[in-house]
Amino acid sequence: ILNVEQSPQSLHVQEGDSTNFTCSFPSSNFYALHWYRWETAKSPEALFVMTLNGDEKKKGRISATLNTKEGYSYLYIKGSQPEDSATYLCAFQSNAGNMLTFGGGTRLMVKP
Amino acid sequence: NAGVTQTPKFRVLKTGQSMTLLCAQDMNHEYMYWYRQDPGMGLRLIHYSVGEGTTAKGEVPDGYNVSRLKKQNFLLGLESAAPSQTSVYFCASSYSMGQGATNYGYTFGSGTRLTVV
Repeated sequence: ILNVEQSPQSLHVQEGDSTNFTCSFPSSNFYALHWYRWETAKSPEALFVMTLNGDEKKKGRISATLNTKEGYSYLYIKGSQPEDSATYLCAFQSNAGNMLTFGGGTRLMVKP
Repeated sequence: NAGVTQTPKFRVLKTGQSMTLLCAQDMNHEYMYWYRQDPGMGLRLIHYSVGEGTTAKGEVPDGYNVSRLKKQNFLLGLESAAPSQTSVYFCASSYSMGQGATNYGYTFGSGTRLTVV
């Protein structure tokens, strides 16, 4: 069983704050690292799929970085808004196939 | 554009009853997956399929069976439900994400909340 961990488990920030959270994953047999955004009562939606060490991806105010050698990825949200409130999941994809191993998620709550 | 559709959305079962959860996708994805989500546990893979007529076990397959008779459908069955199977079940599908293929990640359904009493 692969170990994919996310921290913190939950985070409360004020509107306008910038925030970041961490995903750690195995540094061996790496193929891709996925980030998903999961709003309450909806289904997870893909944010980023990252494959290259040092890669950085950006979507609006959300960005992510990847370090495959040490096995971690950071997700950053600049100027958090209440609509950013969601659980953010990371998932590790090994070079053995399509299956993803998910972390436990970071639940972000942004107060207006 | 329906994406991935799961039915039913909610169900309450008595211990020992059986049921089938249906997942349908209209994106011509080869791969389909069933996950369960429990508090503090994240998403755990139950079974998956790499194409029509194929299925394989995931991390937590015990107590479940699956079938993929048509490419667009992936069924999850509980033959004799137990309270430990109370959970939220998510189906997902994807293209092949292997070497050279563009990796779009998974498309998820909206979940089925199952309670076994």
